[in-house]
Amino acid sequence: EADIYQTPRYLVIGTGKKITLECSQTMGHDKMYWYQQDPGMELHLIHYSYGVNSTEKGDLSSESTVSRIRTEHFPLTLESARPSHTSQYLCASIGGSGTQYFGPGTRLTVL
Amino acid sequence: GNSVTQMEGPVTLSEEAFLTINCTYTATGYPSLFWYVQYPGEGLQLLLKATKADDKGSNKGFEATYRKETTSFHLEKGSVQVSDSAVYFCALSERSARQLTFGSGTQLTVLP
Repeated sequence: EADIYQTPRYLVIGTGKKITLECSQTMGHDKMYWYQQDPGMELHLIHYSYGVNSTEKGDLSSESTVSRIRTEHFPLTLESARPSHTSQYLCASIGGSGTQYFGPGTRLTVL
Repeated sequence: GNSVTQMEGPVTLSEEAFLTINCTYTATGYPSLFWYVQYPGEGLQLLLKATKADDKGSNKGFEATYRKETTSFHLEKGSVQVSDSAVYFCALSERSARQLTFGSGTQLTVLP
């Protein structure tokens, strides 16, 4: 059973607020990912990390930033949220078998 | 580059009907193939996987066979249930296993 956690599960905030979405995993995986999932269901990779102090932007341009100071922790930050950031955000990690494990997601609504 | 193409939805079936969701892929090497399922309000869960040609992945009555000659990994279930209603994603991973490439997802609704 995979252990990957995201908090909060739901967040409703006003425009201009700074927010951080938390993601943590207890499996010791080096590779971690953030996806944005639009209402049409398609997943878009926005950030990834292959280890501590390693972060890269994904296929979809995003105004968010990430950090990887500890192996188990991969938070995503929006400095100034806007309605266009309303979406579901999914965190994931990959183990040695190549299987990707997902957290339950954070549904963000920006008013 | 790698790509995954899966059957567009939504798919609506009656309970106990046979399910097929088509998935084809393009990859430069010999990828591993996956099916993930996403229930409403949740993240994705691994449903099944196959790591080499002719392997059959199976779980919860779902099956998919890795067909290298047709570059396909179609998902099948002989008799669907209402509880199978979800979004299904096909995905591939190259041997380096650095990232997964996902299809666009297929929404399945099973009616009682």
